[in-house]
Amino acid sequence: EAEVAQSPRYKITEKSQAVAFWCDPISGHATLYWYRQILGQGPELLVQFQDESVVDDSQLPKDRFSAERLKGVDSTLKIQPAELGDSAMYLCASSLVRVGAATDTQYFGPGTRLTVL
Amino acid sequence: AQKVTQAQTEISVVEKEDVTLDCVYETRDTTYYLFWYKQPPSGELVFLIRRNSFDEQNEISGRYSWNFQKSTSSFNFTITASQVVDSAVYFCALSEYQAGTALIFGKGTTLSVSS
Repeated sequence: EAEVAQSPRYKITEKSQAVAFWCDPISGHATLYWYRQILGQGPELLVQFQDESVVDDSQLPKDRFSAERLKGVDSTLKIQPAELGDSAMYLCASSLVRVGAATDTQYFGPGTRLTVL
Repeated sequence: AQKVTQAQTEISVVEKEDVTLDCVYETRDTTYYLFWYKQPPSGELVFLIRRNSFDEQNEISGRYSWNFQKSTSSFNFTITASQVVDSAVYFCALSEYQAGTALIFGKGTTLSVSS
């Protein structure tokens, strides 16, 4: 069964350092999402791609966060510099269909748990 | 604005008990989708069900069943004869009808099933 892959699974860093997370969606999935999940809360969207283009990054703190999906396949989310409040689970999800079609199910990866000290 | 409320923060049951997880949503859209996901301690979100706003039929899948009532904006999830492996955080989520829209999640309900 195809799965969304993410790495690393766990990351501990000190504040002001740079961190990067990687996501490989299910093969053929056009849409890719990055969500952030703070402990005790539901996930919230950070950024969404369709193929290599950003569809929605309105909730991405662009002063320190960046995301790319250069070839429309895998994606990287970066934080620089990391702050204490960035400690959270970062989840990647993908879905098959493109924006505008009938909605489709988002499938999630195992997540990267970030701890900023 | 869209919103999902899961009023039950934590529920504890003993194995074989039935348990219902509540979900109430708010949306101005006439067409939308509702979802339930399970998040075990390992962290990944496991898809359980998707239901569109046109279809108010209840659904059963093994020990799981879902009750969608548009009149009360609720989409409740029942586990029959709960098992220890059902212990997890369960999230209800809402999305617009068209594809490519983010999921709006509730805060989740932590279910603990003891033997």
